[in-house]
Amino acid sequence: AQRVTQPEKLLSVFKGAPVELKCNYSYSGSPELFWYVQYSRQRLQLLLRHISRESIKGFTADLNKGETSFHLKKPFAQEEDSAMYYCALRTGGGNKLTFGTGTQLKVEL
Amino acid sequence: EAGVAQSPRYKIIEKRQSVAFWCNPISGHATLYWYQQILGQGPKLLIQFQNNGVVDDSQLPKDRFSAERLKGVDSTLKIQPAKLEDSAVYLCASSLHRDPYEQYFGPGTRLTVT
Repeated sequence: AQRVTQPEKLLSVFKGAPVELKCNYSYSGSPELFWYVQYSRQRLQLLLRHISRESIKGFTADLNKGETSFHLKKPFAQEEDSAMYYCALRTGGGNKLTFGTGTQLKVEL
Repeated sequence: EAGVAQSPRYKIIEKRQSVAFWCNPISGHATLYWYQQILGQGPKLLIQFQNNGVVDDSQLPKDRFSAERLKGVDSTLKIQPAKLEDSAVYLCASSLHRDPYEQYFGPGTRLTVT
């Protein structure tokens, strides 16, 4: 069965410091990974997907099939990055997403 | 464009009572999803509709939960009777098509069962 693991419930960094939010997955098929973000009092929204290989708001994530990981990275954290981040795995032929438990990122001044 | 709408935003009921949630997806979105998010966990898919047909309801507790999407637009999710463990945020999402389009989420309904 598919599974997404985000080992950190809370990650606290100082403004300007690098950020890495960890995500590991288990899935026997060909995975498609996403990062969703939920800012305070806002809706859950897509941040980025691995197939796009793009940088959004300075964040990047690379799919490492050998390590079954899809860590989210940003070289310099900003205060506005404070939010809840969820890693999600799309499986099968449909659009079913399996979410991790989320990591709360807090960027301190 | 207007986003996914949900109502009510908050609901408090006693166990064994019934409750219904409503969702209006983004106009033109064929696929609609209901998720349950228990405190401290990520969203868990309960049911997925493609137009007015069910695509996946494998994680829906069918003895107490039901959902419908009449006419392929709005959807309702019902719990009858509610249990304490049903306390959660119920999220509705929609996407243009089933595969593999971005899902757009509503604000959620926070249910508290006492």
